Amino acid sequence: GESVGLHLPTLSVQEGDNSIINCAYSNSASDYFIWYKQESGKGPQFIIDIRSNMDKRQGQRVTVLLNKTVKHLSLQIAATQPGDSAVYFCAENMKLTGGGNKLTFGTGTQLKVEL
Amino acid sequence: DSGVTQTPKHLITATGQRVTLRCSPRSGDLSVYWYQQSLDQGLQFLIQYYNGEERAKGNILERFSAQQFPDLHSELNLSSLELGDSALYFCASSVLPGDTEAFFGQGTRLTVV
Repeated sequence: GESVGLHLPTLSVQEGDNSIINCAYSNSASDYFIWYKQESGKGPQFIIDIRSNMDKRQGQRVTVLLNKTVKHLSLQIAATQPGDSAVYFCAENMKLTGGGNKLTFGTGTQLKVEL
Repeated sequence: DSGVTQTPKHLITATGQRVTLRCSPRSGDLSVYWYQQSLDQGLQFLIQYYNGEERAKGNILERFSAQQFPDLHSELNLSSLELGDSALYFCASSVLPGDTEAFFGQGTRLTVV
């Protein structure tokens, strides 16, 4: 069946350190994997995505790594800042018959940045 | 601000009642998605519309229905409400179906008492 699970519910890091958030997925048919950030009281916000035929993609201060062999996805945040404190979700995108798509979200990891 | 507007922000209603949640997508976005976020189920995809037509269906109960109007705003109707329907309901929009970057509204918090 479809499932996207996160290894750690809470991650605490010191300001300025790098953060690594991990995610395991089970559906190999997904065409994209995406990371979303959700701050308290707000809706999820897109961070970065990676196509299923890639293994690494970099953005501004973030890097996503995809290991299809072990069905593992990670988000690396460089020089973590207090504003990075949020819940981070990995999600799988699947195209559906009829031209639609759906995102299947993981359970989320709470990132806490300590000053 | 994502550009997606959801109303109302909060809604408290009794079991058995019916409510309508409204979503205005980001300007230029043709695709609208509805998600339910609860503590025990996480973020669950409900349904997707593109330019007024249903494109994909997820874990949406038969008591729930949605539509997208010609002006592209969307409504999610929840009927015969149960305590377990209490959750945050998010609307998201994207330019096209299949876009991985969806813009989420701030959500409607529904409390069923």
